[in-house]
Amino acid sequence: EIVLTQSPATLSLSPGERVTLSCRASQSVSSFLAWYQQKPGQPPRLLMYDASNRATGIPARFSGSGSGTDFTLTISSLEPEDFAVYYCQHRYNRPNTFGQGTKLGIK
Amino acid sequence: EVQLVESGGGLVQPGRSLRLSCAASGFTFLDYGMHWVRQAPGKGLEWVSGISWNSDSIEYADSVKGRFTISRDNARNSLYLQMNSLRAEDTALYYCAKGNSYSMSSFCDYWGQGTLVTVSS
Repeated sequence: EIVLTQSPATLSLSPGERVTLSCRASQSVSSFLAWYQQKPGQPPRLLMYDASNRATGIPARFSGSGSGTDFTLTISSLEPEDFAVYYCQHRYNRPNTFGQGTKLGIK
Repeated sequence: EVQLVESGGGLVQPGRSLRLSCAASGFTFLDYGMHWVRQAPGKGLEWVSGISWNSDSIEYADSVKGRFTISRDNARNSLYLQMNSLRAEDTALYYCAKGNSYSMSSFCDYWGQGTLVTVSS
């Protein structure tokens, strides 16, 4: 099973700041990695797929990069609605494991 | 508009069974792989099972292999999860999710609101 490790576990930032979240895989997943955003009481929302493709309706301030074992999700300028938990997931093989999540809070 | 509506959750005793259903609408169901993902209270996401568009490819997480069975009925636009020999650690909110391709090797681009399964005596 491929283990995805996200860092940091938590962070606190202010609106307008730039943030980069990390996801590291225990073995290569090629570019088969996605990012999701989850707010309290809501299901997850797909942000990025296959490392760098924005999902439908996702604002351009979200971008993804990486391949192999190291991936990042960048939010160029935080909006109030971006404070949430972010998960990465791979689809390289089964099981399609998720990372443990990064909680992004307001400072 | 894509809609996924889960049902069938509830309180069940350890060792018993439960069948979850997911009614899909707003897209051509038979064109896409589907997934079940769960989330224990206050915890992260766990992929449970996936099924390809034609049911030819099916996979499970090790934690549920041999106990859970995923299936789909393309004529009824429905996804199912038969859960047997339930354990306390299966307690979670179970999400039905649409894959973003025909394959089981796909990401989840639409999600239902989930159905809560509580396993307790």
